Amino acid sequence: SQQGEEDPQALSIQEGENATMNCSYKTSINNLQWYRQNSGRGLVHLILIRSNEREKHSGRLRVTLDTSKKSSSLLITASRAADTASYFCATAPNDMRFGAGTRLTVKP
Amino acid sequence: GAVVSQHPSWVICKSGTSVKIECRSLDFQATTMFWYRQFPKQSLMLMATSNEGSKATYEQGVEKDKFLINHASLTLSTLTVTSAHPEDSSFYICSAISPGTSDEQFFGPGTRLTVL
Repeated sequence: SQQGEEDPQALSIQEGENATMNCSYKTSINNLQWYRQNSGRGLVHLILIRSNEREKHSGRLRVTLDTSKKSSSLLITASRAADTASYFCATAPNDMRFGAGTRLTVKP
Repeated sequence: GAVVSQHPSWVICKSGTSVKIECRSLDFQATTMFWYRQFPKQSLMLMATSNEGSKATYEQGVEKDKFLINHASLTLSTLTVTSAHPEDSSFYICSAISPGTSDEQFFGPGTRLTVL
């Protein structure tokens, strides 16, 4: 069964704009991870946020975690055409289960 | 960072044949590896959890006899798709947990299987 569920399913923005994606999950977690996948390719790990953290930054990425609401958000600032990809959240421990993903399209 | 490789990266086979996909952790020992399947424009679906030296744990709906998993060493897990059929055509991705990284999973690049 799926654990993480991303929202929205698809997002189309102009280059330079910010993109926000949300993820909700169902059970208690140790950490939550965000991944990017370009079409037909493997997954690229973006960022991991632990259950005792509320916010984390990495370059143009900002992730928040609200364990009381069982939700997380990924913000990509100053988006680029190269950010076009599908973004997934996944939770640990052990049996990580992925949501359906958000397909982000950044138009140049 | 930890690197996971998969071989082959793509394979085309005839219906009824068996295909073996390898997943290797290159610079760390992975006691646990995971196998996922991904259909076009869909999410990754966990197929099974592979633990070194023991039987794999399969997710509900995944046929154990069709998808044979062997985790014979701390750096290698194999997935064999037996008697493959066109509906088995998919993107298969493995991942491994690197000890000491607090459950962070490292993913292989995936194997695209096409069954004719």
